[in-house]
Amino acid sequence: EAQVTQNPRYLITVTGKKLTVTCSQNMNHEYMSWYRQDPGLGLRQIYYSMNVEVTDKGDVPEGYKVSRKEKRNFPLILESPSPNQTSLYFCASKGVEEGHETQYFGPGTRLLVL
Amino acid sequence: QKEVEQDPGPLSVPEGAIVSLNCTYSNSAFQYFMWYRQYSRKGPELLMYTYSSGNKEDGRFTAQVDKSSKYISLFIRDSQPSDSATYLCASPRSRNTDKLIFGTGTRLQVFP
Repeated sequence: EAQVTQNPRYLITVTGKKLTVTCSQNMNHEYMSWYRQDPGLGLRQIYYSMNVEVTDKGDVPEGYKVSRKEKRNFPLILESPSPNQTSLYFCASKGVEEGHETQYFGPGTRLLVL
Repeated sequence: QKEVEQDPGPLSVPEGAIVSLNCTYSNSAFQYFMWYRQYSRKGPELLMYTYSSGNKEDGRFTAQVDKSSKYISLFIRDSQPSDSATYLCASPRSRNTDKLIFGTGTRLQVFP
């Protein structure tokens, strides 16, 4: 079954305490992305990766880091979280299957930074 | 002005109705468009994408693009309560990147 998994699903942390949200996909997709979703602002792209070792900034990259050492994993790192990073985070992967573009989102990670 | 705009709704319709969901965009460089459905407390799922002006049909769903007026629509025929969700439109800033711009979504409620 095609799947994008994220961990943890829920996280409460304090300002300044480094955290990592993991993302893994089992479809051998080259493209992976991270988004945050906030009321009234919708989904905004944080970072994306077009392949292993290739990453680029989305619209709201400040305060985040990513790495793509393997095709299946794309972790999101918050080196020093702040309350304005409280949000719902989604990881996604995209590829071509049977000639059609497909994209899958993970179930989301709800983060609260105190 | 946001690059992609949607009416947030909610849009409430009876079962069996034809639903029209709309987006406008401001950037002429947008070349193709996607529609996503997001159920409450779930990640978005890609419903349809279209590269050109005109209509694209998939079952009960039809996506329509009018590039001259920068207007995209998603029509749902014979709507069902299971269609109740938030619908998001999106477009990549350019064809060769994955830099997606999303609308804020329209919440649809289909009542029995």
